[in-house]
Amino acid sequence: AQSVTQLGSHVSVSEGALVLLRCNYSSSVPPYLFWYVQYPNQGLQLLLKYTTGATLVKGINGFEAEFKKSETSFHLTKPSAHMSDAAEYFCASRGDSSYKLIFGSGTRLLVRP
Amino acid sequence: DGGITQSPKYLFRKEGQNVTLSCEQNLNHDAMYWYRQDPGQGLRLIYYSQIVNDFQKGDIAEGYSVSREKKESFPLTVTSAQKNPTAFYLCASSPQGGVHGEQFFGPGTRLTVL
Repeated sequence: AQSVTQLGSHVSVSEGALVLLRCNYSSSVPPYLFWYVQYPNQGLQLLLKYTTGATLVKGINGFEAEFKKSETSFHLTKPSAHMSDAAEYFCASRGDSSYKLIFGSGTRLLVRP
Repeated sequence: DGGITQSPKYLFRKEGQNVTLSCEQNLNHDAMYWYRQDPGQGLRLIYYSQIVNDFQKGDIAEGYSVSREKKESFPLTVTSAQKNPTAFYLCASSPQGGVHGEQFFGPGTRLTVL
């Protein structure tokens, strides 16, 4: 069965430091991959997505992610963390139909002043 | 502005009562979804609907029911058969032909059973 694994339920960084949130997927077909952000008591907002083409994908709020097929990874990065980046981040992969998204369990990002 | 609305934002229910959560979208999307979110467990699919008057069970449909009488609306009823209904519920939608699977989410409803 397809799955998405996010390493680390909590990640803590200092303001201004590099943000790295890890995501690995399992898929027997070329995947479509997504990163969503969720602020407390709110819905999910799409940060970026990989469909086809360029493997380095840029999203909103300065985030980017690189699709690495050989490593089955889609890690999310941001060069310099802001306090406003504190939120929960979900990696997702399209499932066996266009009507199914498979979500990772989420990573809560804490930003220290 | 196009988007998805969910109401109410917070909902309290006594044990043994059914309760209905509202989800409306004006994105002209054909497909709609309901997810349940619990701390540390990510999102789990309850039901989804690809077109009006049709819907399919997701991974955790027991204790829930839905209807899809209009394209814009996909209400979720949490029945008394749901053993642990306290959770955050998210509604989402996606366009027909959206082969990549991208879904758009509403703001959520937090249900607490007293």
